[in-house]
Amino acid sequence: EAEVAQSPRYKITEKSQAVAFWCDPISGHATLYWYRQILGQGPELLVQFQDESVVDDSQLPKDRFSAERLKGVDSTLKIQPAELGDSAMYLCASSLSLYRVLDEQYFGPGTRLTVT
Amino acid sequence: KNEVEQSPQNLTAQEGEFITINCSYSVGISALHWLQQHPGGGIVSLFMLSSGKKKHGRLIATINIQEKHSSLHITASHPRDSAVYICAVKAGSTDKLIFGTGTRLQVFP
Repeated sequence: EAEVAQSPRYKITEKSQAVAFWCDPISGHATLYWYRQILGQGPELLVQFQDESVVDDSQLPKDRFSAERLKGVDSTLKIQPAELGDSAMYLCASSLSLYRVLDEQYFGPGTRLTVT
Repeated sequence: KNEVEQSPQNLTAQEGEFITINCSYSVGISALHWLQQHPGGGIVSLFMLSSGKKKHGRLIATINIQEKHSSLHITASHPRDSAVYICAVKAGSTDKLIFGTGTRLQVFP
C-alpha cells in the first residue's frame, strides 16, 4: 500500500541551528501539506502545495521557516534558526488534488523535533 | 472558542465497553474526518463523511449536518484501540482541514 514517507523520524537540535525535514508524498498526489502539531494539540497547517506552487502559507513563520517542492513531487521544510518553541511533531500529508472536495488526506509518520 | 470542539478530552474504558467520542463544529463544512493517532505520532484516516453514517469493522461514524455534530463509536473496545482520536472538518469550499484537539482514549484489559 502506498504511503507518505518522511525523514528523519526524530531530530534533536540545539537552538539557533538549522534543521530540515523531507517528505515524499504518495505517487500521483498533487497536493502536499506540512503541519505542525504541538503536544496535546491538533495539527496546524503550515504550508500547502498544489504541484510546485504554494497555495497557502499564511501560518508559516516566514522569518525562520521555508518550504519548497521544486519539481512538484517531494518537499523539504527548513527551519533556520531553530527556537525552543519549535519543538513539535512535523507532519506531512498528501491528497490527489485540492480541487476534489471529498479527497482524503494521507499522513506520513511525522518527524518529532526537539530543540534544546 | 475553537471552531472544532471534541469531548471528552480524555477517556478510559475497560475492554469490551462501548465508546462514544463527540465532535461539534461551528463552521459550514463540506466533509468531516475522523483520524486516529497512535503514540508514535503517525495519523491514520478512519472515516471521511459528509452525511449520514459509515461503518468499518467495530467503528461507526455518524454526522448530523443540521446540528453540526458528529460522533465516533467503538463497539467492543480493545486495548489496541488506545490512541488519540481527532476530528477534523473541511471548511466550506476550501480543502483546508480544521482540527479538534483530540480525545485520548485508553482501554484497559
